[in-house]
Amino acid sequence: QQQVKQSPQSLIVQKGGIPIINCAYENTAFDYFPWYQQFPGKGPALLIAIRPDVSEKKEGRFTISFNKSAKQFSLHIMDSQPGDSATYFCAASLGTYKYIFGTGTRLKVLA
Amino acid sequence: DAGVIQSPRHEVTEMGQEVTLRCKPISGHNSLFWYRQTMMRGLELLIYFNNNVPIDDSGMPEDRFSAKMPNASFSTLKIQPSEPRDSAVYFCASSPAGGTNTGELFFGEGSRLTVL
Repeated sequence: QQQVKQSPQSLIVQKGGIPIINCAYENTAFDYFPWYQQFPGKGPALLIAIRPDVSEKKEGRFTISFNKSAKQFSLHIMDSQPGDSATYFCAASLGTYKYIFGTGTRLKVLA
Repeated sequence: DAGVIQSPRHEVTEMGQEVTLRCKPISGHNSLFWYRQTMMRGLELLIYFNNNVPIDDSGMPEDRFSAKMPNASFSTLKIQPSEPRDSAVYFCASSPAGGTNTGELFFGEGSRLTVL
């Protein structure tokens, strides 16, 4: 019940495409859903986050869509660029220090 | 501003040796985390400190692992004796939030440990 299931494991898109990464959770008590971006040799960095009282949040080319009834949320990257090539992690938190991370999606954007 | 600073960035050691990983959190952050990242298990929380006090060490694999935070600007993660299955990237992260507040985690660049 504490798991966050992330898919796909890897994704390859052409420049300008819209990669979509999906996450699903079981625990309805989760109340904070961040996405972290990790480049090779670096630590994860917060990209965008959402709380369950909104269905969508946009920051630049990155959008989180949140479906509370389905217990799913997803990351969309508009007009993807080669520089977006990284590993993306979704996570969920119970409003405390404890984050449950997804297994990660390795994204490659072809030039 | 300096981010979370970890050392060493890479460590190669032989089984049975002691390994000490170091972390300097962002000044003013009162929460510090140690995570382990592997291909098989992803990002796992090992231990969480709040105001230098260990709050949750339930993720520490076994007694071979220990962590300390003697002051607000320094923490160590020690593995003694090390085993090949400890090979992973160890991340330190800090956060300005703590307790019941959820805040952004600021990760260091990690320490890649290889135990032969």
